[in-house]
Amino acid sequence: DARVTQTPRHKVTEMGQEVTMRCQPILGHNTVFWYRQTMMQGLELLAYFRNRAPLDDSGMPKDRFSAEMPDATLATLKIQPSEPRDSAVYFCASGLVTANYGYTFGSGTRLTVV
Amino acid sequence: QKEVEQDPGPLSVPEGAIVSLNCTYSNSAFQYFMWYRQYSRKGPELLMYTYSSGNKEDGRFTAQVDKSSKYISLFIRDSQPSDSATYLCAMSAFLAGGTSYGKLTFGQGTILTVHP
Repeated sequence: DARVTQTPRHKVTEMGQEVTMRCQPILGHNTVFWYRQTMMQGLELLAYFRNRAPLDDSGMPKDRFSAEMPDATLATLKIQPSEPRDSAVYFCASGLVTANYGYTFGSGTRLTVV
Repeated sequence: QKEVEQDPGPLSVPEGAIVSLNCTYSNSAFQYFMWYRQYSRKGPELLMYTYSSGNKEDGRFTAQVDKSSKYISLFIRDSQPSDSATYLCAMSAFLAGGTSYGKLTFGQGTILTVHP
């Protein structure tokens, strides 16, 4: 089965450090999402790419978060500097816009900022 | 107020019970309605999707959409312990030319436990 691959699976870092999370979408998918999940807020959309172009990053704190797709096989989410309130599970999902319901999620990166 | 509201539960039922999970929404532009299932420490996986109003059945699962009431439901018949998970509703709108095209908006998720 094709899958979305996220690395690392777990990350513990100190406040103020830079964190980079990576996502390899399913080959051929043209839409990539980054979501953050916490118990309090549930799944929050951070950024959304179509054909590698950012469409919507309104949910992302601009001063410390950035998202990019340097090529079709890699999406990155960076936090600099990290803060304890960034502790959450970050999910990447990919899909085809023509099959809008068929988004596949990765297993997530569990981030803990101490 | 959130665009999609879902009772977080938790919901605990005995094996074999019928489970009803629900979401309400405020954005009348939503056209596609989905249910995702998420097991502990895993990513959400698509369970069912429905376009516009109506019912859809897949084995023990039935999804219903009532656009006039802005209300969607997922029914699980003969629930099993393996159905214990968090169930998330999700919706999307497809407005031509809009940046929200295909963007999924999720409910909070309902934690379901089916005990033997």
